[in-house]
Amino acid sequence: DTGVSQNPRHKITKRGQNVTFRCDPISEHNRLYWYRQTLGQGPEFLTYFQNEAQLEKSRLLSDRFSAERPKGSFSTLEIQRTEQGDSAMYLCASTGNLPPGLAGRHEQFFGPGTRLTVL
Amino acid sequence: AQSVTQLGSHVSVSEGALVLLRCNYSSSVPPYLFWYVQYPNQGLQLLLKYTSAATLLKGINDFEAEFKKSDTSFHLTKPSAHMSDAAEYFCAVSDIYGGSQGNLIFGKGTKLSVKP
Repeated sequence: DTGVSQNPRHKITKRGQNVTFRCDPISEHNRLYWYRQTLGQGPEFLTYFQNEAQLEKSRLLSDRFSAERPKGSFSTLEIQRTEQGDSAMYLCASTGNLPPGLAGRHEQFFGPGTRLTVL
Repeated sequence: AQSVTQLGSHVSVSEGALVLLRCNYSSSVPPYLFWYVQYPNQGLQLLLKYTSAATLLKGINDFEAEFKKSDTSFHLTKPSAHMSDAAEYFCAVSDIYGGSQGNLIFGKGTKLSVKP
């Protein structure tokens, strides 16, 4: 078990550029979550995948954000036309194959995050 | 809607002193509650969780929490603080209603400082 990994760990970009982050969950986990954490705040939910299906999106996920999990393994989060307000830590978490109704009881395993700075 | 409120954005204790980090939840139905710790530039690590079984929970590194329905609290305690406990602590509730898929709703966090 190598844990959840995220790449890159840090990304500095200029306003208006596109960025893409990658998350590799724990290998047997089929549920994957993306969160955003701004300075002084707790993480906020962005979106959720079960296998390759994106089943839930937060209102925080504007049209400039898109997430994919094409083969039900790793996931990518892309931000187009970045804005300074997008500067944050982007966290990925995964959890195992659980029956409906039990997912909320189980620990989510978090990656180290990707820190995005938009200049 | 479910939510958690953490009282105190910063808590400072002396090494060896009791640690008490406060969390109150708002939920019209039985919640699933979690405490996570975040060290600088790292992801979150689970300390302990409440999922409607025992109300007194023991977690890693001697942390404990008690679920109290009477005052909707889920406070985190540790009898004796270590320098290594200095970190940010997050209380979270699992959003499992209204079609949500178990994503976590976090409080704003409490930064714990430990003085030698």
